[in-house]
Amino acid sequence: RKEVEQDPGPFNVPEGATVAFNCTYSNSASQSFFWYRQDCRKEPKLLMSVYSSGNEDGRFTAQLNRASQYISLLIRDSKLSDSATYLCVVDGTGKLIFGQGTTLQVKP
Amino acid sequence: NAGVTQTPKFQVLKTGQSMTLQCAQDMNHEYMSWYRQDPGMGLRLIHYSVGAGITDQGEVPNGYNVSRSTTEDFPLRLLSAAPSQTSVYFCASSYFQGGEQYFGPGTRLTVT
Repeated sequence: RKEVEQDPGPFNVPEGATVAFNCTYSNSASQSFFWYRQDCRKEPKLLMSVYSSGNEDGRFTAQLNRASQYISLLIRDSKLSDSATYLCVVDGTGKLIFGQGTTLQVKP
Repeated sequence: NAGVTQTPKFQVLKTGQSMTLQCAQDMNHEYMSWYRQDPGMGLRLIHYSVGAGITDQGEVPNGYNVSRSTTEDFPLRLLSAAPSQTSVYFCASSYFQGGEQYFGPGTRLTVT
């Protein structure tokens, strides 16, 4: 089993749609969780950290379920500019483990 | 504040050549790391450092060396380039191991 698993997609959605990504992780001792965004041929950039109580940043909501060992990212009111690859990142014994990413394509 | 910088942006090497990828950060981060990204493989950790003078191997260290003589710089050396090392290389830094990382713009390396 991979340490961090994501559905690679692609997810093709119309503008204004709500889309959700899930990510599962294998290390029950993981303490830090993040979502990164990566545009084509660019470096990954931090989108948001994921806290135990869940957190929201504008149209983006991240949640953590420790019992089932998954994190999620919800994007509301999708914009064309949200088209990118979203990387789930989990701390594994101090080193960050990156998922392969989920590709989102928002269409007009 | 430039963040994390990497040079060169692009490089073509012949098999057997050696080179050094440069990485520098000006955020006074203790933790620095090198990743490679290949299609379908995600980001894989090559080497990392938790502070000046301390380095350790990641998931795919073979064929690469690192050193950390200062807090700011973390160069990655390819000893004898092979076509399997064709990839995009990212350097990243963070305040501490396991913390949110900031990435450089990447070096696109082709080995022929």
